[in-house]
Amino acid sequence: LAKTTQPISMDSYEGQEVNITCSHNNIATNDYITWYQQFPSQGPRFIIQGYKTKVTNEVASLFIPADRKSSTLSLPRVSLSDTAVYYCLVTIYNQGGKLIFGQGTELSVKP
Amino acid sequence: DVKVTQSSRYLVKRTGEKVFLECVQDMDHENMFWYRQDPGLGLRLIYFSYDVKMKEKGDIPEGYSVSREKKERFSLILESASTNQTSMYLCASSPPTSGSLDEQFFGPGTRLTVL
Repeated sequence: LAKTTQPISMDSYEGQEVNITCSHNNIATNDYITWYQQFPSQGPRFIIQGYKTKVTNEVASLFIPADRKSSTLSLPRVSLSDTAVYYCLVTIYNQGGKLIFGQGTELSVKP
Repeated sequence: DVKVTQSSRYLVKRTGEKVFLECVQDMDHENMFWYRQDPGLGLRLIYFSYDVKMKEKGDIPEGYSVSREKKERFSLILESASTNQTSMYLCASSPPTSGSLDEQFFGPGTRLTVL
């Protein structure tokens, strides 16, 4: 049974690169990983999605190693406005798209 | 601009009341979801729907039911509210899974307190 695990919290400083890792056992090659960002009093917002190697968009990168037992969200040069909770989501394709959310990582960016 | 709206931001109900949480999306999405969010537990899926009049149980459906009579509207019903259903409820929608991108769009949430 797939499960996702993330660190509960992380601290960083403005301008640093932040890497948040999500561990997910027993996922198949066609299962994919999505990351969401959530600010207080708002619903989560999509950041990035992928299922292998590396994906990059204008706000983040997603690294998935060959063994697919983890994935890493990378935020380049964070600012104070990146302070939020970040959720990892694994979608299990051969279980009808079963959704498995991590518990969220609370990122605090300090000046 | 993509939009998911929820009928209330804050709601206070009494134990035993029947509670309706409404969600509307304007993106013509097939898929809609209801989650609850609790500290330390993240998001947990209650129910989802892949089409009008279709519903599927999520991970924690006990004590809840849903209704999807129209494509744009997905309602969560607490038949007899209890204090352990005090939580933040989030609705989301997404287009059909295409294999290329599966992004869920979330509403702002309804914070329900059951006294």
